[in-house]
Amino acid sequence: GENVEQHPSTLSVQEGDSAVIKCTYSDSASNYFPWYKQELGKRPQLIIDIRSNVGEKKDQRIAVTLNKTAKHFSLHITETQPEDSAVYFCAALLTGANNLFFGTGTRLTVIP
Amino acid sequence: GAVVSQHPSRVICKSGTSVKIECRSLDFQATTMFWYRQFPKQSLMLMATSNEGSKATYEQGVEKDKFLINHASLTLSTLTVTSAHPEDSSFYICSASAYTEAFFGQGTRLTVV
Repeated sequence: GENVEQHPSTLSVQEGDSAVIKCTYSDSASNYFPWYKQELGKRPQLIIDIRSNVGEKKDQRIAVTLNKTAKHFSLHITETQPEDSAVYFCAALLTGANNLFFGTGTRLTVIP
Repeated sequence: GAVVSQHPSRVICKSGTSVKIECRSLDFQATTMFWYRQFPKQSLMLMATSNEGSKATYEQGVEKDKFLINHASLTLSTLTVTSAHPEDSSFYICSASAYTEAFFGQGTRLTVV
């Protein structure tokens, strides 16, 4: 099956700075990579996703990059705000499968 | 986006009793639903894959007799924690897939006392 690793496990940044979270996956057959934001005690919410036929995708302050050759993908948050503080999970979906494999999560803290 | 409703959001039960958690897809049909367990400050651990009209597929290490899953319709899956013990206390989340995107329920905080 797929193995997704995520780093760092915790990340603190000053408000206004950028934050980068990185994930690697093991199975080259994975073709869909979503990112979820989970606030304390709440459900994960999809914030951005990327498919294997695209190298980069951007949505306002959030961007995701994918390197298929190296099997890694990253989440970039620019101009961070305190409300960005949450746990972020990356995930990967194998082609033909329908369950996501999650990374271990990154607790992001944005310091005002 | 699609809506998945999970109920109850919080439940406290006595050790030895059973608790049922419901997961409903409100505006789409979900042939497959997933049940996750999340320990504090940890990732989502897939417990089982629930397929409509058939038996659930459990992940290694998950006791199928303890965590009973029923998926009787295209919009409803239930997870029953039987003979609950304090170590079963956790945050349980369901999700349903529409195409490739996963939609999560609100989660259920189970506390066994």
